[in-house]
Amino acid sequence: AQTVTQSQPEMSVQEAETVTLSCTYDTSESDYYLFWYKQPPSRQMILVIRQEAYKQQNATENRFSVNFQKAAKSFSLKISDSQLGDAAMYFCAYRRWGGSNYKLTFGKGTLLTVNP
Amino acid sequence: DTAVSQTPKYLVTQMGNDKSIKCEQNLGHDTMYWYKQDSKKFLKIMFSYNNKELIINETVPNRFSPKSPDKAHLNLHINSLELGDSAVYFCASSLEGGSYEQYFGPGTRLTVT
Repeated sequence: AQTVTQSQPEMSVQEAETVTLSCTYDTSESDYYLFWYKQPPSRQMILVIRQEAYKQQNATENRFSVNFQKAAKSFSLKISDSQLGDAAMYFCAYRRWGGSNYKLTFGKGTLLTVNP
Repeated sequence: DTAVSQTPKYLVTQMGNDKSIKCEQNLGHDTMYWYKQDSKKFLKIMFSYNNKELIINETVPNRFSPKSPDKAHLNLHINSLELGDSAVYFCASSLEGGSYEQYFGPGTRLTVT
């Protein structure tokens, strides 16, 4: 079974600075998807960024980028120029490539605080 | 227009009661999910339906019964509620296959007293 580990229960960053959230996962599969979701206090789950395992290039979405190290099974999220609105719980998630089981397997989350 | 909606958003009930949570999506997706988020914020899959067919049932007590009357709806019925059922329940939907994003509903906070 796949597992996702987020080793940082909490992180904090100063506004306008950069922070990196860590995620490692365990799988025996070679093709899969990885995601970062954001959950602000409103409780809504929001997709931040996704990475296909077959792509060597790291995904980027505006101020959000990932460092995907397939061999190390590592998938960290970098937030540049942090804003107050980035304060949220961040979840790393894994999903299989094929078959009919498209469930997301989540890590336990990292609570990010942004200090003004 | 809300993409994935859930009703109710909050539900407070007593142990032993039976309750239902409804989910509807207007995105034309063919796969729907129920996830449970516990008090420590841990999210875990409960069920998945594809075209009204149960695909995933992740060792959930049989007091929980999902029902999908059509592709746009996936309801969750819970019998004989227990204190440990208190959690936030999220419905989600996606298209089957590929890297399609799962869209989440706003969640239903269930409190069992």
